[in-house]
Amino acid sequence: GAGVSQSPRYKVAKRGQDVALRCDPISGHVSLFWYQQALGQGPEFLTYFQNEAQLDKSGLPSDRFFAERPEGSVSTLKIQRTQQEDSAVYLCASSLITRGNEQFFGPGTRLTVL
Amino acid sequence: ILNVEQSPQSLHVQEGDSTNFTCSFPSSNFYALHWYRWETAKSPEALFVMTLNGDEKKKGRISATLNTKEGYSYLYIKGSQPEDSATYLCAHYNQAGTALIFGKGTTLSVSS
Repeated sequence: GAGVSQSPRYKVAKRGQDVALRCDPISGHVSLFWYQQALGQGPEFLTYFQNEAQLDKSGLPSDRFFAERPEGSVSTLKIQRTQQEDSAVYLCASSLITRGNEQFFGPGTRLTVL
Repeated sequence: ILNVEQSPQSLHVQEGDSTNFTCSFPSSNFYALHWYRWETAKSPEALFVMTLNGDEKKKGRISATLNTKEGYSYLYIKGSQPEDSATYLCAHYNQAGTALIFGKGTTLSVSS
């Protein structure tokens, strides 16, 4: 079956521009996660959804970052007024349930802010 | 140990060599340890999910062990092949069980 997909795969934005990154999880997966991977670092947790409810957004670095999953399926991560430090690979993952379960990752969106 | 630490950061081996990496993690409030392989421009691929102290798992030429009491896991690759070239990430769940906490990864390069 289809895995997790993300779009766009690459995004170049000018500083100050707003961007929207999309994640299509595996059908039927309840849990959805966003991670940010900066150069030379491991992926870092941003936020977690269980169906349409955003249960943990403790990893969002600032109020410029916003995520939603209105129908409990597709999710969008929005970054307003992008800054150079936002340049990273943004990974989306989904799982059937949460606690300890395997997370299936998409290929990521590489965002470059000029 | 408060964070997940992986070593070495990178290594280069010849085809046919066997190699191993280390992952250290907080031993308190342990839930599960995950190993992923991430090839450039592809999705991170799950290798193992390990939960029990003393666990040993194997997938082809790759195997892993887990010690939850001392907080470490080893990943072994026997007879490395060029297609094994990738970054290997380990991660454990946070206390709430809602997010994976990753190490920085070990980048393996295998030359033919």
